[in-house]
Amino acid sequence: DSGVTQTPKHLITATGQRVTLRCSPRSGDLSVYWYQQSLDQGLQFLIQYYNGEERAKGNILERFSAQQFPDLHSELNLSSLELGDSALYFCASSVGTSGLVYNEQFFGPGTRLTVL
Amino acid sequence: DQQVKQNSPSLSVQEGRISILNCDYTNSMFDYFLWYKKYPAEGPTFLISISSIKDKNEDGRFTVFLNKSAKHLSLHIVPSQPGDSAVYFCAAGNGGSNYKLTFGKGTLLTVNP
Repeated sequence: DSGVTQTPKHLITATGQRVTLRCSPRSGDLSVYWYQQSLDQGLQFLIQYYNGEERAKGNILERFSAQQFPDLHSELNLSSLELGDSALYFCASSVGTSGLVYNEQFFGPGTRLTVL
Repeated sequence: DQQVKQNSPSLSVQEGRISILNCDYTNSMFDYFLWYKKYPAEGPTFLISISSIKDKNEDGRFTVFLNKSAKHLSLHIVPSQPGDSAVYFCAAGNGGSNYKLTFGKGTLLTVNP
């Protein structure tokens, strides 16, 4: 158990709909990252938040948005869903302090999104 | 543009033998490399990492080698055990205040008893 929790575990929805995925980081971790894993693809970095502020953006579509709340949990909002958005969405967290030490990321179990 | 490549989608080895998983990268700005292991229905778990100032890092049965001139790293598992059967992801990052990681597509390792 990494200490990172994600809800829901599974989500089935229809095209055009909007969903929200939730992530609670490990206690003490300030950084939250979102990744998408589609079939036969590696983990694609979507976005990172550090202590409530957006820190880095990856291949995140404009239909997707995220935020990190004062209690450090994060939500990933996916709207106008398309069939191709079906994937595993992982959240990860790290201590994320600035400095020279690179902190490994701890991953949650993922949310499997199926768009029908 | 795939900056981190794992060219072998799968690898099968016998229990007790060495497993060697390979990873190539193209971005010379990467200065930190990590290996993650992933079991089905679970998130990836951190395995071992190496900074670009080193060429080898060892942790028990796991050793990561980095060849900066070739932009290549490898993970050696000795001896391999059936419980090592999983998907292994190579990841790379560049330093500074953002910890974004770029992942390869993964290699499925099967260790046969």
